[in-house]
Amino acid sequence: DQQVKQNSPSLSVQEGRISILNCDYTNSMFDYFLWYKKYPAEGPTFLISISSIKDKNEDGRFTVFLNKSAKHLSLHIVPSQPGDSAVYFCAALQGGKLIFGQGTELSVKP
Amino acid sequence: DAGVTQSPTHLIKTRGQQVTLRCSPKSGHDTVSWYQQALGQGPQFIFQYYEEEERQRGNFPDRFSGHQFPNYSSELNVNALLLGDSALYLCASSSTQGEQYFGPGTRLTVT
Repeated sequence: DQQVKQNSPSLSVQEGRISILNCDYTNSMFDYFLWYKKYPAEGPTFLISISSIKDKNEDGRFTVFLNKSAKHLSLHIVPSQPGDSAVYFCAALQGGKLIFGQGTELSVKP
Repeated sequence: DAGVTQSPTHLIKTRGQQVTLRCSPKSGHDTVSWYQQALGQGPQFIFQYYEEEERQRGNFPDRFSGHQFPNYSSELNVNALLLGDSALYLCASSSTQGEQYFGPGTRLTVT
């Protein structure tokens, strides 16, 4: 049973436009979420997080939105840059362990 | 300050063999977690070590075992390898309840 789901395996966006990556979860007890970015041959790198007491968290070009009633979160990247091309994972933190989605491969074209 | 390091980078083993993967945590971190990432999937939690004890475990068989040493480094052991154990094995370190920092991983291929 996949408790965290990323239903889009890939996303292609033009440089300068907005990238929106989506994530759904099933467990209403999850109260802390993170986004990681992964380049080939490297481990995942923490990007941004959000607690369930908030509905939005912003850090530079990256904003994460949380809709608790829909059990949905999204990562917005504005403006997108070619260096943002990577695999993005959303994860829920549960008791010290991370529960990851399957990932979305973002390709930003110049 | 070195981040999380893992060795070896790549490994090829035969079905039925045993393998040991190693992880050195980031300086100042005392907790080590191990994850398995199969091709096209997200990382899956194997187990977590703190104070040389397994603190929690994911849904993996007993063939997967680990150890944490007094210097906080850790080993992941897998016995009786199956083809399905082929994956990227990621180690993450953290201070207690802090953010997890990942190493580059060990790519294990079982033939």
